[in-house]
Amino acid sequence: GENVEQHPSTLSVQEGDSAVIKCTYSDSASNYFPWYKQELGKRPQLIIDIRSNVGEKKDQRIAVTLNKTAKHFSLHITETQPEDSAVYFCAASRGGYSTLTFGKGTMLLVSP
Amino acid sequence: KAGVTQTPRYLIKTRGQQVTLSCSPISGHRSVSWYQQTPGQGLQFLFEYFSETQRNKGNFPGRFSGRQFSNSRSEMNVSTLELGDSALYLCASSSGGDGYNEQFFGPGTRLTVL
Repeated sequence: GENVEQHPSTLSVQEGDSAVIKCTYSDSASNYFPWYKQELGKRPQLIIDIRSNVGEKKDQRIAVTLNKTAKHFSLHITETQPEDSAVYFCAASRGGYSTLTFGKGTMLLVSP
Repeated sequence: KAGVTQTPRYLIKTRGQQVTLSCSPISGHRSVSWYQQTPGQGLQFLFEYFSETQRNKGNFPGRFSGRQFSNSRSEMNVSTLELGDSALYLCASSSGGDGYNEQFFGPGTRLTVL
């Protein structure tokens, strides 16, 4: 089955800095890669996703890049703000009727 | 639309007991997935139901089971509880047509096994 590794497990940055979270996946058939954000005590929510026919996708301060050859994808957050502090989960799926396999999460701490 | 709801929000049980958790998906969503969340382990997939049929199953023992009703509401059951079953159990619903659909999570049920 699919295995998703996520690094780092914890990331501390100063407000205004950029943050990068990296994930690798094992199943070359995976073609959908969403990112979920979970604030403390709240439910995970989708923040951005990318399909394998696209190399990069941006949405305001966040972007995701995908390298299919290396089987890794990354989340980039620019101009971080304290409200970006949360746990971020990457995931991978083959699409179709398959399910999401999640990484173990990255706790991002943004200090004012 | 109302979001995904889960009941109860908190449960305390003792080892050996069984427990049933409930999940009501967003109206119109036919897929419900269940996850176990523990510190350091992320979101581990339990199973997914679509139109009352279990479509996918994760690597959990047979003590974990689930079902889905005709109105798409889902329940999961854990029998013979163990201390290691203490976790936040999240359900998520999606329109379910394929694996590209956004999953909408419920608030979770916090299960503590003593």
